[in-house]
Amino acid sequence: SQELEQSPQSLIVQEGKNLTINCTSSKTLYGLYWYKQKYGEGLIFLMMLQKGGEEKSHEKITAKLDEKKQQSSLHITASQPSHAGIYLCGAASGGSNYKLTFGKGTLLTVNP
Amino acid sequence: EPEVTQTPSHQVTQMGQEVILRCVPISNHLYFYWYRQILGQKVEFLVSFYNNEISEKSEIFDDQFSVERPDGSNFTLKIRSTKLEDSAMYFCASRPGLQETQYFGPGTRLLVL
Repeated sequence: SQELEQSPQSLIVQEGKNLTINCTSSKTLYGLYWYKQKYGEGLIFLMMLQKGGEEKSHEKITAKLDEKKQQSSLHITASQPSHAGIYLCGAASGGSNYKLTFGKGTLLTVNP
Repeated sequence: EPEVTQTPSHQVTQMGQEVILRCVPISNHLYFYWYRQILGQKVEFLVSFYNNEISEKSEIFDDQFSVERPDGSNFTLKIRSTKLEDSAMYFCASRPGLQETQYFGPGTRLLVL
């Protein structure tokens, strides 16, 4: 079965600082999703990556998938308190089912 | 913007009771999922549903669990006889087609006493 390791487990940064969260898969990724979760709430979709070397950006968040499709990173530029939350990476299974397997998450705290 | 909705937001039940968790997926979506998250743990896949039948289920999804799409809009998860370890946040998700984004609902927090 596919395993996803996220690092770091938690991160505390000062507002305005840049940060990176990593997600490493035990197998080649068919698709890699990034979600954000506020504690005890639902998952908010951020970005989806499918192709090796792909990079996507939305506002101050950039996600990349490496060429081998086994590692992804999420980079936040000039962090704000609104970026605080739990960031989850999810790997899509192959085939038509496309269920997601998630990492444990990275808890981000942004201090004003 | 269309979104997945779930009811109730919270449910407290006694061990051994039946519960039904309800979801309304986004209207043009074809694939439906239930996941759960025990407090402090990973989000785990339970079951996927397509074309009015289960397409895949995890080891967690035993005979106590069932899913149904009783009409064109609702998607339900039933737990027949709840156990203490069923206490978790249950998420419904849907996606429109192949290799497309899964959108998650806000979750139902289930507490079994």
